[in-house]
Amino acid sequence: DGGITQSPKYLFRKEGQNVTLSCEQNLNHDAMYWYRQDPGQGLRLIYYSQIVNDFQKGDIAEGYSVSREKKESFPLTVTSAQKNPTAFYLCASSLMPQGIRSTEAFFGQGTRLTVV
Amino acid sequence: GENVEQHPSTLSVQEGDSAVIKCTYSDSASNYFPWYKQELGKGPQLIIDIRSNVGEKKDQRIAVTLNKTAKHFSLHITETQPEDSAVYFCAASIQTSGSRLTFGEGTQLTVNP
Repeated sequence: DGGITQSPKYLFRKEGQNVTLSCEQNLNHDAMYWYRQDPGQGLRLIYYSQIVNDFQKGDIAEGYSVSREKKESFPLTVTSAQKNPTAFYLCASSLMPQGIRSTEAFFGQGTRLTVV
Repeated sequence: GENVEQHPSTLSVQEGDSAVIKCTYSDSASNYFPWYKQELGKGPQLIIDIRSNVGEKKDQRIAVTLNKTAKHFSLHITETQPEDSAVYFCAASIQTSGSRLTFGEGTQLTVNP
């Protein structure tokens, strides 16, 4: 089955530690995204990548880092510099838009990160 | 950048009634407007989308309307069922930024049996 997989589903981290969230897709999508979801605030874009070995900051990139060494993988590292990391993290992917047509984004099932 | 506002934040209806969720956007360059449904503990799933060259689109009990002049779009769900209960998000995409989506803050829809 084609899809986008996030792991783990639940993650606990001690304050001051870095942690990496995994996102893998086998949809052959060019673009991948990381969103953070907090109650009552919708989805906010952290980082996105439109092509391998390239990525751009979203609206709330501070305290996060990413890499895009392979088309199918876009891991997110939550660093100790992120002051309020407890949240639900969502990864998404989409085909790059062709001409004027923007395309559907497919989401993973999310990783709930809790800082203890 | 783009700003999307969504109302109401919570909506409670009786089974069989209709539900309407409204969104406004700020950037007139936006040309793609998807709606996502998110069930508890899961990722959002696309339920319907509309592009700026279309004013209305319908898929069974779900419809979306777009008013480009007023920069607002709405989701209409008819004959609601308890399984429609979820959080619904609207979003807007600006062509020049690829598929980067800006989301509204979500509407918690509860359908009471």
